[in-house]
Amino acid sequence: SAVISQKPSRDICQRGTSLTIQCQVDSQVTMMFWYRQQPGQSLTLIATANQGSEATYESGFVIDKFPISRPNLTFSTLTVSNMSPEDSSIYLCSVERGLIGNGYTFGSGTRLTVV
Amino acid sequence: AQSVSQHNHHVILSEAASLELGCNYSYGGTVNLFWYVQYPGQHLQLLLKYFSGDPLVKGIKGFEAEFIKSKFSFNLRKPSVQWSDTAEYFCAVNARGNTDKLIFGTGTRLQVFP
Repeated sequence: SAVISQKPSRDICQRGTSLTIQCQVDSQVTMMFWYRQQPGQSLTLIATANQGSEATYESGFVIDKFPISRPNLTFSTLTVSNMSPEDSSIYLCSVERGLIGNGYTFGSGTRLTVV
Repeated sequence: AQSVSQHNHHVILSEAASLELGCNYSYGGTVNLFWYVQYPGQHLQLLLKYFSGDPLVKGIKGFEAEFIKSKFSFNLRKPSVQWSDTAEYFCAVNARGNTDKLIFGTGTRLQVFP
């Protein structure tokens, strides 16, 4: 399965600022996914990022708040903009490798605390 | 759109007890189904997956799950749990032919006491 490097692993940020999270995959993948896991909750899909096109956002998530870049087939970034304490979560990137549905690999996550 | 529900939010068992965690999904088409585990302080690990073929799927650490298409279910089972199975368990579904996204259930917290 793919190996995903995600950074930073954690950060503490002031409200009103922005944080960009990077996700690097060890091989080319078509789709990359960004999830949020709020404390004690399950994973919620934020958006799907394809290379060369705008990300597709899930209901409740907007590009202005969570801009995503996908400059090539091995890299993506998620920015959490104008942060508030409610944005404190673990943010994870994920890729699907091989046949569709054959397996999803997750990064180790970025634990964000907004103060 | 697909959705996943896990009815057991918190399960408490003694070691050697049998485990069954419920998972139901809603989607009329063909699906791929997954169970992930998240141990305390660690990131997600794949326990098992159903893609096609035998609906009884065996995964790591003695876990298995059965896909029952007529019931839209994919319940996770283990005949005898161990203290080390204490973790959060997530069921997830990918709707084939729709999108490639993976949608997660709300999760079940399992606590196993010695």
